[in-house]
This record gives sequence, structure tokens and C-alpha cells, in this order.
Amino acid sequence: DAGITQSPRYKITETGRQVTLMCHQTWSHSYMFWYRQDLGHGLRLIYYSAAADITDKGEVPDGYVVSRSKTENFPLTLESATRSQTSVYFCASSQSGTSITPLHFGNGTRLTVT
Amino acid sequence: QKEVEQNSGPLSVPEGAIASLNCTYSDRVSQSFFWYRQYSGKSPELIMSIYSNGDKEDGRFTAQLNKASQYVSLLIRDSQPSDSATYLCAVYTGGQNFVFGPGTRLSVLP
Repeated sequence: DAGITQSPRYKITETGRQVTLMCHQTWSHSYMFWYRQDLGHGLRLIYYSAAADITDKGEVPDGYVVSRSKTENFPLTLESATRSQTSVYFCASSQSGTSITPLHFGNGTRLTVT
Repeated sequence: QKEVEQNSGPLSVPEGAIASLNCTYSDRVSQSFFWYRQYSGKSPELIMSIYSNGDKEDGRFTAQLNKASQYVSLLIRDSQPSDSATYLCAVYTGGQNFVFGPGTRLSVLP
């Protein structure tokens, strides 16, 4: 079934470790996004990508790295995880990035940094 | 700082009643507005989008937009217990920037 898939669904890691969250979409949407959702803060944009090899920072990019070598994949890497990065991470995509195209979200990854 | 505000709730309504969810935004140039429903432990799911002033109806849902007052609302008619969720208001402000409100938790009581 077409859609947007995130993996893993749950991840526990230790402070200082590198961890990569995966996102794959089958819609051929040009835009992809990474958000984190925390109590009291709502959804906050980490990074987004307009197309393969084009990425840009969002509101809270520090400590995160993204890449997009293929249109369908948009992995998010925490280079050295910190406890403050414990959160639920959502990947999203939109067809063209124009004002009339809403975001569609993946199922999320719940990350715990101990 | 572009902001989107919502009452955090919880908003409790009896089954069959109308639930009214409100959202205000600070950026006057915002053009596109979206309502997402998020069940506990799940991802946000788009339920309505609205781009022009006035009302837009889709089944039991009606979105209302007033750009002059920088206000968007969502009405849910004949509320059901299955409508119990957190409702997120999202505003597209340009430059791939979707700003989300903190969400309103709705509880529909049987």
C-alpha cells in the first residue's frame, strides 16, 4: 500500500550514540519533512527537503543531520544523541510544497535517549 | 515568531453535541489552514483544509475561516466518542513552513 513509512517505531539508545531514523515514501512527493513532537511544544520542524540533494533547516535543527540521495528516502541522523532529543519524531511529505498541499505524516518513531 | 494558538483543553462535550474548536494565528499573510486529528500514540491525520474566508463542510466537519480576525475554527456535529482525540491547527506561512498549534484535546462523553 502506498504511503509514508518510518522505522523503527520505537528506539532506545544511550547518550552519545549515533542513531538514524528512516523515512520512506511511495507517493513520489517532492517535499519531505522531519518534525519532533514534545509535550508543551507541539510539532516543531527539524529539517525539510524540496527534492533529492536539497535540504534546509527548520526551527530546531541543532544536533541533527539529514540527507536525501533518493526522492523516496529522507533519513534523520542524531550524530551524538542527548537526553533532550528524547521525543516522538514524525516524517511527513507533501506533493509540491505549494500552499494548497497539506502534509501527510508517517506513523512516527518514539525515541528514548537514556 | 509566527504563532498559532489553541486552547489546550480538555474540551468535553456529550455525545451528539456540537464540538467547537478554535485557533488563532499571528501571521497575516497566511493563506492555507489545516485541521489534523491525532489519536493518542498515533500520527496526525488530515481532516480538513481551508483556503478562503467562510465555511467549508465535509460530512460532520465544518471549518470556518476569518482572515480579517486571523481566526479559524472546526465544528464537529453529532460528536461521537470516536471523535475523542487531540485536534491540531496548522497554518502554512510560506517557505515550506507549516506552523502547528499545541492542539486541543477533545473528549466526547457517551
